[in-house]
Amino acid sequence: DGGITQSPKYLFRKEGQNVTLSCEQNLNHDAMYWYRQDPGQGLRLIYYSQIVNDFQKGDIAEGYSVSREKKESFPLTVTSAQKNPTAFYLCASSTTQPRSYNSPLHFGNGTRLTVT
Amino acid sequence: QQQVKQSPQSLIVQKGGISIINCAYENTAFDYFPWYQQFPGKGPALLIAIRPDVSEKKEGRFTISFNKSAKQFSLHIMDSQPGDSATYFCAASLIRLVFGKGTKLTVNP
Repeated sequence: DGGITQSPKYLFRKEGQNVTLSCEQNLNHDAMYWYRQDPGQGLRLIYYSQIVNDFQKGDIAEGYSVSREKKESFPLTVTSAQKNPTAFYLCASSTTQPRSYNSPLHFGNGTRLTVT
Repeated sequence: QQQVKQSPQSLIVQKGGISIINCAYENTAFDYFPWYQQFPGKGPALLIAIRPDVSEKKEGRFTISFNKSAKQFSLHIMDSQPGDSATYFCAASLIRLVFGKGTKLTVNP
């Protein structure tokens, strides 16, 4: 079955440590996205990539970094510079920009990161 | 102008009732308005979507009503069921999707 795999489902880290969240898709989608979800805050875009080896900052990119070396993979690193890293992180993909019925966003099931 | 305002934040409905979630936007350039449904511990999934040249779209028990002049759109869930209990997000797209803050719907049996 095609889809998006995020791993691990739960991740615990000590403050000051960088941590990398994995996102893999086998949908052959060009575009991939990282969102952060906090209670009552909706979904906020961290980074997105429309093509391999290229990515753009979203609305809350500070303290995060990404890479897009392969079409299937878009890992997110939460650095120690992120002030409030504890959150639910969602990876998504689409064929192109999700502006039509033919290219909706497909989400993974998320990684819940807890930093103490 | 890039915001999408969603209300209410939470909603409790009895089984068989109608659930209504409202969203408003400012940017008239938005050209695609989807709704996503999210169950606890899962990622959101596309539920239904509408273009601004259509005033209503219905898929089963789910209907989007779109009022272009008022810059508002809403999701109606008819005959709400306990299995509909989830968080619903409206969104609007120009270059990329902008999401509302979500509505937690609880349907009591």
